[in-house]
Amino acid sequence: DTGVSQDPRHKITKRGQNVTFRCDPISEHNRLYWYRQTLGQGPEFLTYFQNEAQLEKSRLLSDRFSAERPKGSFSTLEIQRTEQGDSAMYLCASSSGTSGSTDTQYFGPGTRLTVL
Amino acid sequence: AQSVTQPDIHITVSEGASLELRCNYSYGATPYLFWYVQSPGQGLQLLLKYFSGDTLVQGIKGFEAEFKRSQSSFNLRKPSVHWSDAAEYFCAVGPNAGNNRKLIWGLGTSLAVNP
Repeated sequence: DTGVSQDPRHKITKRGQNVTFRCDPISEHNRLYWYRQTLGQGPEFLTYFQNEAQLEKSRLLSDRFSAERPKGSFSTLEIQRTEQGDSAMYLCASSSGTSGSTDTQYFGPGTRLTVL
Repeated sequence: AQSVTQPDIHITVSEGASLELRCNYSYGATPYLFWYVQSPGQGLQLLLKYFSGDTLVQGIKGFEAEFKRSQSSFNLRKPSVHWSDAAEYFCAVGPNAGNNRKLIWGLGTSLAVNP
């Protein structure tokens, strides 16, 4: 296992620009999660994929946010028309398991977004 | 409502002293329980987890945690803290059934270690 990787690690953008982040899960992990973490807070759930299907989206995920996981491998999270309130650490996690089984989420290093 | 409470926002201990970080949860059923550690600017590393069985679980780096169902608690302990343990510690809970295993997180406890 090479672990969960995220790219880029840091992104600075101007308000109104679009940004896209990538997450590569641990190989063969069928579940992939996106979380957002702001300073002094715990992570907040954004969305979840099982294979290529996006099964749940948080109400935190406005229509400016979109996530994909084509072919059930890597995932991308796009934020359109960024706002200063989008500044946060975006964390990706993956896990392996089927319904009814136990699984553990393994996290990537995160992408820190700063919107100026 | 589902929630996780970590009552201590910040704790300072001396190196070599014992440590206990508190975690209480509110959940509809017995959840899966996790402790993660996060160093500055880094992602989250799993310390330990409880799914079932023995309520005292051992983790990495000498940490252990005890699940107490009657108190809805999952406190993290370490008998002797090292300077490298200074970090942010998060308790999280998740469902033990269903497809979506999204985690509910506490706000974290920041640990400082005095030499």
